[in-house]
Amino acid sequence: NAGVTQTPKFQVLKTGQSMTLQCAQDMNHEYMSWYRQDPGMGLRLIHYSVGAGITDQGEVPNGYNVSRSTTEDFPLRLLSAAPSQTSVYFCASRRLRAGGRSDTQYFGPGTRLTVL
Amino acid sequence: KQEVTQIPAALSVPEGENLVLNCSFTDSAIYNLQWFRQDPGKGLTSLLLIQSSQREQTSGRLNASLDKSSGRSTLYIAASQPGDSATYLCAVRQDGTASKLTFGTGTRLQVTL
Repeated sequence: NAGVTQTPKFQVLKTGQSMTLQCAQDMNHEYMSWYRQDPGMGLRLIHYSVGAGITDQGEVPNGYNVSRSTTEDFPLRLLSAAPSQTSVYFCASRRLRAGGRSDTQYFGPGTRLTVL
Repeated sequence: KQEVTQIPAALSVPEGENLVLNCSFTDSAIYNLQWFRQDPGKGLTSLLLIQSSQREQTSGRLNASLDKSSGRSTLYIAASQPGDSATYLCAVRQDGTASKLTFGTGTRLQVTL
């Protein structure tokens, strides 16, 4: 049981380039989400999904796209990278309807992205 | 809009000391509250989750309490060890199956020998 995995761990992009951050989970969780973490600002939600084929925007969605074709995978696409997107990106998953400790949200190890 | 505050931002204590980390939130209509640990350059590890109907949860040397009406939670760490050095984050989830977590900015803890 690998939990939540993310690739790559590190990435450097030039302004205007595009790329996809990969996220996968093997816990059969319906809910998956992407956060970015910036110094002094806490983690902020970018996009989330409540199941295959369903995605929605979070607090800071501009410049990012997501799709959810399977329960396991939830990639995040940067369409045209900007220096303001330099951040650490975390993918997370949890059960959609649970209770007790089953509500726990699990996070991946993160992708550290630098945009020059 | 929910806002989560953690005080202090940083804390240094000698090994063996008991300590309390604080988390406050502005909207008391929460579904649950979760405490995480984050080591430098790493992801978040869930420590404790408290449902809105609960007052506290315990795991080993950790005890988290929740006072929903006053918008506060505390994480108590007993007999601190150098291995406890990390950033501790609290996050609240509002009601609703698709609701997100709102995070505080964390307390950076250093336990010295």
